[in-house]
Amino acid sequence: GESVGLHLPTLSVQEGDNSIINCAYSNSASDYFIWYKQESGKGPQFIIDIRSNMDKRQGQRVTVLLNKTVKHLSLQIAATQPGDSAVYFCAENFGTSYGKLTFGQGTILTVHP
Amino acid sequence: NAGVTQTPKFQVLKTGQSMTLQCAQDMNHNSMYWYRQDPGMGLRLIYYSASEGTTDKGEVPNGYNVSRLNKREFSLRLESAAPSQTSVYFCASRGPYGGRLETQYFGPGTRLLVL
Repeated sequence: GESVGLHLPTLSVQEGDNSIINCAYSNSASDYFIWYKQESGKGPQFIIDIRSNMDKRQGQRVTVLLNKTVKHLSLQIAATQPGDSAVYFCAENFGTSYGKLTFGQGTILTVHP
Repeated sequence: NAGVTQTPKFQVLKTGQSMTLQCAQDMNHNSMYWYRQDPGMGLRLIYYSASEGTTDKGEVPNGYNVSRLNKREFSLRLESAAPSQTSVYFCASRGPYGGRLETQYFGPGTRLLVL
């Protein structure tokens, strides 16, 4: 059968709309979470992070929400622009191992002008 | 300040050939990482170096070796390349304070095709 990994979740929005990208993380002991943006042919780029002692953090046009009860992380992008089109990954860190991140599958965001 | 740089950008190998992927960072970071990314997938950790002089296995270390040459440089070696190692390889660094909860910064990637 096909690998689940070949069919990334996709989100299509119109320019100016707000976007919400969701991520279910795997380990209830995870204490640090990061959202990365990856444009075609480039490396992942840091967007925003959040520690487990917080449930919300805001940046410029982006907000990350953390719901530890259901192990859910979301990235909200306000007034989405065509330049926001990319694959978005969440990553979690848990345990004592320094900086070992576990990445989610990714979501493809397409912004239509 | 170039951040994280990787060479080469693209490489084609035949099965059984060896090569070394180079990575350097100029941010005075303590920790460095090698990941691979297969089509439609997230990144998987191959090896990491928490600080100069130390290296540890990640999630998918088989078929790879690493060297932390100095604080700036962390190389990944494929001794005998296999088609299953066709992937995009990313180097990342984190620091400079060495605290556990700090984000990683990624290089542009090396695209490797093994025939």
